[in-house]
This record gives sequence, structure tokens and C-alpha cells, in this order.
Amino acid sequence: DIVMTQSPDSLAVSLGERATINCKSSQTVLYSSNNKNYLAWYQQKPGQPPKLLIYWASTRESGVPDRFSGSGSGTDFSLTIRSLQAEDVAVYFCQQYYSRPWMFGQGTKVEIK
Amino acid sequence: QLQLQESGPGLVTPSETLSLTCAVSGVSISNRNYYWGWIRQPPGKGLEWVATVYYAGHTHYNPSLQSRVTISADTSENHFSLTLTSVTAADTAVYYCVRQHYDIFTGQYNWFDSWGQGTLVTVSS
Repeated sequence: DIVMTQSPDSLAVSLGERATINCKSSQTVLYSSNNKNYLAWYQQKPGQPPKLLIYWASTRESGVPDRFSGSGSGTDFSLTIRSLQAEDVAVYFCQQYYSRPWMFGQGTKVEIK
Repeated sequence: QLQLQESGPGLVTPSETLSLTCAVSGVSISNRNYYWGWIRQPPGKGLEWVATVYYAGHTHYNPSLQSRVTISADTSENHFSLTLTSVTAADTAVYYCVRQHYDIFTGQYNWFDSWGQGTLVTVSS
């Protein structure tokens, strides 16, 4: 199984400041044949289901604001919120779809400082 | 517009069987570009993939649950279902039905791009 570990578990950021969440996989999720990272990010607001933000580690889903960006390759990835807005308060999860069982990180809670 | 709607009992007795259905509207589950599945989230905890099904019947299960879980698709009703046997308190969770992007050219399974609102299932006597 490819275990996903996020850091930190929570962070508090001032409005308008940058928030960065890290995600590390226990094995590579980079598929050598197509040079794609099989890594997605989701946002879950209180009382709501998760929402897909990013796939292929850095491709934003349609409609996702461009203040959200994903980076990284292999086993180390990051989700950055460039200028935190009040509506970005949520728990963020990374997920690998490289191999079954498809697994998620434990989540990172983002709050306003 | 795609909608996924879970239904099923909110309370299940320990050792009994949990049964859930996900009604899909706005797209046919026979669309070859997608798998359909279930992901669960115990209260206050993280996400666990449970099972996935293709319209043609091909299934995948989380090995941690494989002995107790069955997923199936009904293309005539445009819904898919989950059964989980011998439930315990550890199966208490919000169960989400999801759509999973599938690349029919490469056979690669990808991200979960649509989620239902979820249904809380409590296992308790």
C-alpha cells in the first residue's frame, strides 16, 4: 500500500497570506511511462463532501481559483494557497491514484489566524 | 448536471448487513469514462476508499474490507449499491458515493471528481 502522510496536521494563516500543505507518499506516484504524478488534492469544508481541487499533482479542476496550486513529483508534493481567503477554511486531503488501494492523507486543517 | 444521492438506513445493528444505494442523475453510469464507488469517513477522521464498480460489472475492493463488501451497478436504474456484512462500531462513518475518472485508452484509474453529500451510518444496538 502507498501510505500518504501530510504535514502539518493543522495550520493557522492570516487572511491574504500564503498557506502551504505538504504531502509525502511512501512510494513514488510518478508513472515513468507518461511522466505523470498520480496525485490529487481535495478540499472539505465543514459539513460538506470533499471537492476535487487538483489532479496530476498540479492541474487545477475546472472552476478552482488560481490561488490554489499544486507542485512536486515522485514522493513529495505541496498544495499552496497563494492568498488565503475566509472561504478557504477547510480540511485538505491528498490522495494517490497510482495503485490500489487508493489512499488519502490524514488531512490538514487550515484556519484563519 | 451530475448528481449523486446516497440512500440507506442511518442505523445498523452490530453483526448485521449495511446496504446503501447511490442514485445517479445527469449522466449515465454506462459512460465508459467513469467508474463508480464508495468512500467512507468515520466521524472526525480521514477518508477511506471502500469499493469501485464499472458499468460492465468489473469491481475493485479495498483489501481491508474485501471479505465483507460487495458493490454492484444497475444500469437500468442508473444506480449502484454497496453491501457490507458483519458490521461493527468501526464501520460507523459517513459513506460517500463518488465518480472516478477512468482513462479507457490506458486503463488507468484516476481521481474522484464528483461526490455525493454523504450519508451517516451508525452501527449500534
